Amino acid sequence: AQSVTQLGSHVSVSEGALVLLRCNYSSSVPPYLFWYVQYPNQGLQLLLKYTSAATLVKGINGFEAEFKKSETSFHLTKPSAHMSDAAEYFCAVSDFSGYSTLTFGKGTMLLVSP
Amino acid sequence: DVKVTQSSRYLVKRTGEKVFLECVQDMDHENMFWYRQDPGLGLRLIYFSYDVKMKEKGDIPEGYSVSREKKERFSLILESASTNQTSMYLCASRKQGANTEAFFGQGTRLTVV
Repeated sequence: AQSVTQLGSHVSVSEGALVLLRCNYSSSVPPYLFWYVQYPNQGLQLLLKYTSAATLVKGINGFEAEFKKSETSFHLTKPSAHMSDAAEYFCAVSDFSGYSTLTFGKGTMLLVSP
Repeated sequence: DVKVTQSSRYLVKRTGEKVFLECVQDMDHENMFWYRQDPGLGLRLIYFSYDVKMKEKGDIPEGYSVSREKKERFSLILESASTNQTSMYLCASRKQGANTEAFFGQGTRLTVV
């Protein structure tokens, strides 16, 4: 079964600093991977997804992620943090069974200080 | 604009009550899901449905049941609510296919007292 591990339940950065949120996956086949963002008291919104086309995936709000098969990683980055980026971020992997379930990591809360 | 709508944002129920959480999607998606979200545990799958009247257990189905009588509607039922079911509940829908995006509702924060 596929799974994802997010390293760090909380990450703190200063405004303007690099954002790096880590995600490692476990899958017996090439995976489909997703990053979602959740703002306070809201549902989840897709940031970006990897579906085996380009290994560097660009998403919304200036975020991008790179799929590295050798490291089984799909880390999320943004060159310069903004206060509005403060939210919880979830990495997810898609199940290849016929049911198309998504398995989520435990989430990383991004804190941005002025 | 695509939408997944959950009937309530906040609910307070008493222990032992039967609780219904409703979810409607307008995208004609085959798959619908109920997740539970707790701090430090991420999202855990309770039940999902891949077609009308079809359902499958997720990772934590105990204490819950579901109903899908129409394609657009997926209901989560707590047969006898308990305090350990106090949580945020998220509904999602997704078109068939492992590479497709899941769309989420705003969530229902349920408190059982």
